[in-house]
Amino acid sequence: QSALTQPASVSGSPGQSITISCTGTSRDVGAFDYVSWYQQHPGKAPKLMIYEVSHRPSGASHRFSGSKSGNTASLTISGLQVEDEADYYCTSYTSSSSCVFGTGTKVTVL
Amino acid sequence: EVQLVQSGAEAKKSGESLKISCKGSGYRFTTYWIGWVRQMPGKGLEWMGIIDPSDSQARYSPSFQGQVSISADKSISTAYLQWTSLKASDSAMYYCARLAAGTTSWFDPWGQGTLVTVSS
Repeated sequence: QSALTQPASVSGSPGQSITISCTGTSRDVGAFDYVSWYQQHPGKAPKLMIYEVSHRPSGASHRFSGSKSGNTASLTISGLQVEDEADYYCTSYTSSSSCVFGTGTKVTVL
Repeated sequence: EVQLVQSGAEAKKSGESLKISCKGSGYRFTTYWIGWVRQMPGKGLEWMGIIDPSDSQARYSPSFQGQVSISADKSISTAYLQWTSLKASDSAMYYCARLAAGTTSWFDPWGQGTLVTVSS
């Protein structure tokens, strides 16, 4: 199964909003509301930011939100802060009863 | 506190075998599936497979089926990732993580990672 497609990089200034897309197929993102997003700082383990498309866990900032339309899921970071600079990965459950990660997006705060 | 603690870094040679571990604490280990994720140097995350510690039922990504083996010992709340014959291309960071609510769900929390280095 192929990795979900994410932009390699996205950047924004502090305070701005940015959106990261995650494009899959009708066999994964389009078929299930089981999309989650992870933040990974250099040298650290990933951290859950969004689950089931749009739900935010208690440890994630309210500035993070998720959505989905068709075969594409999105993560929006509002009020961008320096500490948001990290790599972000989406993942989706698939019709093969497994999961697949996205290609990853490097977020840079200008 | 729910926690996953992984075994330490390993340096091995091609052809050698290896088993790395992931010990869960702070929750009932048999209630939640555990997964393994690979991250090659400078690359993205790859879903390898998951295991139900209650009965050791495992599922693998097609990319990793036959390349690794995932197991668990519920008596000591520990999951394992094993290779019988390592290759240089197995050099990577390996993370374990708990599936929060069944096989379709999200990984939370994650272990700290185990760095595996394989030299030829």
